[in-house]
Amino acid sequence: EPEVTQTPSHQVTQMGQEVILRCVPISNHLYFYWYRQILGQKVEFLVSFYNNEISEKSEIFDDQFSVERPDGSNFTLKIRSTKLEDSAMYFCASSEGRTLVQAQYFGPGTRLLVL
Amino acid sequence: DAKTTQPNSMESNEEEPVHLPCNHSTISGTDYIHWYRQLPSQGPEYVIHGLTSNVNNRMASLAIAEDRKSSTLILHRATLRDAAVYYCILRFSGAGSYQLTFGKGTKLSVIP
Repeated sequence: EPEVTQTPSHQVTQMGQEVILRCVPISNHLYFYWYRQILGQKVEFLVSFYNNEISEKSEIFDDQFSVERPDGSNFTLKIRSTKLEDSAMYFCASSEGRTLVQAQYFGPGTRLLVL
Repeated sequence: DAKTTQPNSMESNEEEPVHLPCNHSTISGTDYIHWYRQLPSQGPEYVIHGLTSNVNNRMASLAIAEDRKSSTLILHRATLRDAAVYYCILRFSGAGSYQLTFGKGTKLSVIP
């Protein structure tokens, strides 16, 4: 069964450093998403991406965040200058379409720890 | 925006049916009801969705009240692998937003 994959599974970084989280969405999916979950808290939407541009973003997704689809298979989330409060699980998701009946399929996540 | 209310936690014995309730009294006529679950240390996983009629798939059944103000996710025979947080999520029509908005969900414990 096709699945979303994410690398790395864990990332430790120093405050102020840049990190890039990588995702390979399901191959025939056209819509891509990033969510995050701070330990013990809700899963929060960050951004959605379609046709090489951001289609929606939350208040969390400020100028330190960016997303890119550098090639036909990868989808990345870059955090330019990490802060302690960026420590969280980051989940990538993809969907075939964007209608209200279509499911989003999530990857296993990248656990980011900012020291 | 319509909101959902779920119990914080529930317990079930293994191999017994589980009924997970969700209240959504302010649901609009064309809002879809989706259920996702999150197993420990994993990403959320789609379970099922519905609009008005009851729905079945290989994972679960979704029973939707006639007035649509509540729904129940039914796991017919709980296994230890079903221990997870279950989220009831409304997907709003006409809002132009396709993000999933997760609440705190119901943490299901399955007792062997």
